[in-house]
Amino acid sequence: NAGVTQTPKFRVLKTGQSMTLLCAQDMNHEYMYWYRQDPGMGLRLIHYSVGEGTTAKGEVPDGYNVSRLKKQNFLLGLESAAPSQTSVYFCASSYPRPGTSTDTQYFGPGTRLTVL
Amino acid sequence: GQNIDQPTEMTATEGAIVQINCTYQTSGFNGLFWYQQHAGEAPTFLSYNVLDGLEEKGRFSSFLSRSKGYSYLLLKELQMKDSASYLCGPTPGGSYIPTFGRGTSLIVHP
Repeated sequence: NAGVTQTPKFRVLKTGQSMTLLCAQDMNHEYMYWYRQDPGMGLRLIHYSVGEGTTAKGEVPDGYNVSRLKKQNFLLGLESAAPSQTSVYFCASSYPRPGTSTDTQYFGPGTRLTVL
Repeated sequence: GQNIDQPTEMTATEGAIVQINCTYQTSGFNGLFWYQQHAGEAPTFLSYNVLDGLEEKGRFSSFLSRSKGYSYLLLKELQMKDSASYLCGPTPGGSYIPTFGRGTSLIVHP
């Protein structure tokens, strides 16, 4: 199993450009998430999905859109990139209810995005 | 809303024991995650506590007090490879989605 994969690994954009980050998981997980991580800010949830065809806002959703057309894929879109969106983006997936002793939320390797 | 507090940075000596504390205030509470994150890498799962008390898993243990809104991660027999950030992530009531604190950067030196 590949686990959680993210495409691309690195990207540089100019202000105003658009792009889509792709997350894929092969563990048949219901839940998928997009986080951003900035220095000193920890992980902040952007959007998440509790199943195919559903999405919901997290802590910092402004400037981002998401889609979950297939269970295994979760796309994060930036319609008009801004320098404030320079960050490392992590995708994660999990089963709906975490157990007490199971590895429940798996993270992808991250995408480093720079907006000039 | 949620308020999560953990120390920004800690240092310790190889072979020693270190305790990383986390206090939180959430709208309801289900459980609390601890993750380890090495520089430039993705977070990896360490533990998920639901009940009060200490759960031990090898060199790592995690403690939870639901009534006090308090948890700690205990690392024994520290190794250089334990140098990483440790993220505390409580899950609010009605959700199993963690909100993470800013993380504690642990530096282990010889």
